[in-house]
Amino acid sequence: DIQMTQSPPTLSASVGDRVTITCRASQSISSWLAWYQQKPGKAPKVLIYKASSLESGVPSRFSGSGSGTEFTLTISSLQPDDFATYYCQQYNTYSRTFGQGTNVESK
Amino acid sequence: EVQLVESGGGLVQPGGSLRLSCAASGFTFSSYSMNWVRQAPGKGLEWVSYISSSSSIIYYADSVKGRFTISRDNAKNSLYLQMNSLRDEDTAVYYCARDWQPVHHFDSWGQGTLVTVSS
Repeated sequence: DIQMTQSPPTLSASVGDRVTITCRASQSISSWLAWYQQKPGKAPKVLIYKASSLESGVPSRFSGSGSGTEFTLTISSLQPDDFATYYCQQYNTYSRTFGQGTNVESK
Repeated sequence: EVQLVESGGGLVQPGGSLRLSCAASGFTFSSYSMNWVRQAPGKGLEWVSYISSSSSIIYYADSVKGRFTISRDNAKNSLYLQMNSLRDEDTAVYYCARDWQPVHHFDSWGQGTLVTVSS
């Protein structure tokens, strides 16, 4: 199975900060990577798919980059609504795997 | 509007069985592959199982293989997960999730149903 490693596990930031989360795959997954946001008690919501494509309705402050084994999610200017947990997910194979998650908390 | 509504969760003893359902509406269910994803309390997301639109292709995570069975009824717009030989570590919120395209990202999720395995 493909393993996904996210860093950092926790990120403390302030409104207006630029935030970057990294995801590494244990083998090449081309651009078959998505990013999700999850708030407590809610289902995850897709933000980015195919590494860099912005899901419809998602604010443009979210962006994704990378290919192969290294990927990043960037929030250009953190907003109050963005404090949440973020997960990467590979879909290079039928057996999808998620990263361990990054909790973005208020500094 | 796409809607996925899970049901069937509850408290079950170790070794017991439970059947989860996911009712779909707002889209042509028979055209989409579907998945189950779970999340243990305070933990991350874990993909559980995949079923293609016609049920011809099915995959399971190693952690549930041989114990869980995914199925669907396209006439009833419903997805199922039969869970047998349940263990403490199966305690989680179970979500059904739609593939945007076969083997792609999940573009729609249900609200989840809680399964608690405990004596």
